[in-house]
Amino acid sequence: DAGITQSPRYKITETGRQVTLMCHQTWSHSYMFWYRQDLGHGLRLIYYSAAADITDKGEVPDGYVVSRSKTENFPLTLESATRSQTSVYFCASSGTVSNTGELFFGEGSRLTVL
Amino acid sequence: GENVEQHPSTLSVQEGDSAVIKCTYSDSASNYFPWYKQELGKRPQLIIDIRSNVGEKKDQRIAVTLNKTAKHFSLHITETQPEDSAVYFCAASKAGRRALTFGSGTRLQVQP
Repeated sequence: DAGITQSPRYKITETGRQVTLMCHQTWSHSYMFWYRQDLGHGLRLIYYSAAADITDKGEVPDGYVVSRSKTENFPLTLESATRSQTSVYFCASSGTVSNTGELFFGEGSRLTVL
Repeated sequence: GENVEQHPSTLSVQEGDSAVIKCTYSDSASNYFPWYKQELGKRPQLIIDIRSNVGEKKDQRIAVTLNKTAKHFSLHITETQPEDSAVYFCAASKAGRRALTFGSGTRLQVQP
């Protein structure tokens, strides 16, 4: 049972390059989320999705693009990376059957923008 | 939107002592308040949660209390152990919105 997986786990890129972080879950959870984690800021919501083809902005969406053509995948794209986007990115998912509200996080993707 | 403030940012206790972490939220419509634990280099994981129709919830050595009037909630860890050392995040959400707003985190260090 793979659960929720992110790739790549580590990425170094240069300013202005496009970067895509992948997120895949095997639970058929309806909800998926992207958070970024920075020291002193906790976890800040970038985008989330309630179902396939439904996405919505979070607290810090600028500079990011998401899509959700399939329930199990929720890629996050930085169209033109900036140094301020250096961060650890966590994907998460949440189901609707149990309605507990619990978020299940991936292992994180550490992105460095030079 | 919702704003969640968390204090303290760091907390050091002796093994066996209690630890308390406090959070306040701004949106009175929030009704779900989970706590996540993140060990060094690991993913955040849910340890306990509470809904607005309950004032307190316990699970072994951890408990969460909620004061809706004051819009604050707290995490209590008793008989702390070295394995409790981690970063703890509080969060809040409201009905119909599954996305969580997190606090800035508390780094708890339990000294053996």
